Amino acid sequence: GAGVSQSPRYKVTKRGQDVTLRCDPISSHATLYWYQQALGQGPEFLTYFNYEAQPDKSGLPSDRFSAERPEGSISTLTIQRTEQRDSAMYRCASSRDLTGELFFGEGSRLTVL
Amino acid sequence: QKEVEQDPGPLSVPEGAIVSLNCTYSNSAFQYFMWYRQYSRKGPELLMYTYSSGNKEDGRFTAQVDKSSKYISLFIRDSQPSDSATYLCALWNTGNQFYFGTGTSLTVIP
Repeated sequence: GAGVSQSPRYKVTKRGQDVTLRCDPISSHATLYWYQQALGQGPEFLTYFNYEAQPDKSGLPSDRFSAERPEGSISTLTIQRTEQRDSAMYRCASSRDLTGELFFGEGSRLTVL
Repeated sequence: QKEVEQDPGPLSVPEGAIVSLNCTYSNSAFQYFMWYRQYSRKGPELLMYTYSSGNKEDGRFTAQVDKSSKYISLFIRDSQPSDSATYLCALWNTGNQFYFGTGTSLTVIP
């Protein structure tokens, strides 16, 4: 696609529910990143993919967080048993190969009640 | 200790002022240094990209890297109201994740 697309844009859920966020990167981009961004803070790294491989998931805050990119294009971020502290903007970014330019999506704002 | 520290601001300057934004980092292995600009409710966008020490100029923007001091700066000359945004420094080492600063909120007052 023309840009990075994320869905849903907004998600409100109750504590304990599972949520899945979706990212559709720019079609020619091999690398895909997931970030968590709290209000007034910079993006915090969660994990990244190079095609379908996931070389680094060191930023995932707990085993409740997982990400997939099974065919090397669309990726999902799943948070199980959500907690209020998971409330944040979740941003996906893609990059052509491993370059310094990330193209960010509009983000998915998650609110856990 | 975070990989990169950034002055949080906020900064408020009059139109036409020179703005200086700064970050420090701790890991000397970083070789790629970037500045991203984030408008309200939008995702960050790449503004400047530098490799290793030195200066890089693009219009009213100058990015400066001092690897010996582990210090990076972004200067904005003749600031405009349209420059009002959050500026994020970012570091990258090939094959690894990007580290972002916390961002500095800038408001340029007409």
